[in-house]
Amino acid sequence: DSGVTQTPKHLITATGQRVTLRCSPRSGDLSVYWYQQSLDQGLQFLIHYYNGEERAKGNILERFSAQQFPDLHSELNLSSLELGDSALYFCASSAGPYEDTQYFGPGTRLTVL
Amino acid sequence: AQSVSQHNHHVILSEAASLELGCNYSYGGTVNLFWYVQYPGQHLQLLLKYFSGDPLVKGIKGFEAEFIKSKFSFNLRKPSVQWSDTAEYFCAVNRGYGGATNKLIFGTGTLLAVQP
Repeated sequence: DSGVTQTPKHLITATGQRVTLRCSPRSGDLSVYWYQQSLDQGLQFLIHYYNGEERAKGNILERFSAQQFPDLHSELNLSSLELGDSALYFCASSAGPYEDTQYFGPGTRLTVL
Repeated sequence: AQSVSQHNHHVILSEAASLELGCNYSYGGTVNLFWYVQYPGQHLQLLLKYFSGDPLVKGIKGFEAEFIKSKFSFNLRKPSVQWSDTAEYFCAVNRGYGGATNKLIFGTGTLLAVQP
């Protein structure tokens, strides 16, 4: 157990819908990262937050957004869902923004029908 | 842009065989290097990491990796694999200190199947 929690574990929804994925970092970690794992794209970095502020964006679609709250948990919002958004979404946390090991949560498996 | 290449996509070994998984990265600056393992149905777990110092790094479960800067490589090794090592292995890299973020860039993964 890495100490990073993610909810829900599984999510099944329809095209066009909107979902929210939640992540709680390890105690004391200020950085939260979101990654998407799919069969065709592999593991791709989406976005990084540090202490409530966005630090970097990767291959994140405009339909996706994220935020990190004062209690340091983070939410990833996915809207106007398409079949191709079906993937495993991982959250990771680290102590700081640099030089730190990232610890991964169990992931949320999103299925868009 | 940074990229990570894992040349072996699927490896099948018998128990007690030796393992070497290749990883090459493209980035000219200072990097940190990682190997993560994903057991079936589970999340990514850190096997080992290299930040600086001794280029031969030892990790958990008997794994080790060697950083060869001149070859931009960070190959993972284990002298004798077990059935329980069946998993997918990911090499990853991030920039050393000075970047705005230490986002990880992952390779495509190597699926290892160990036959009893």
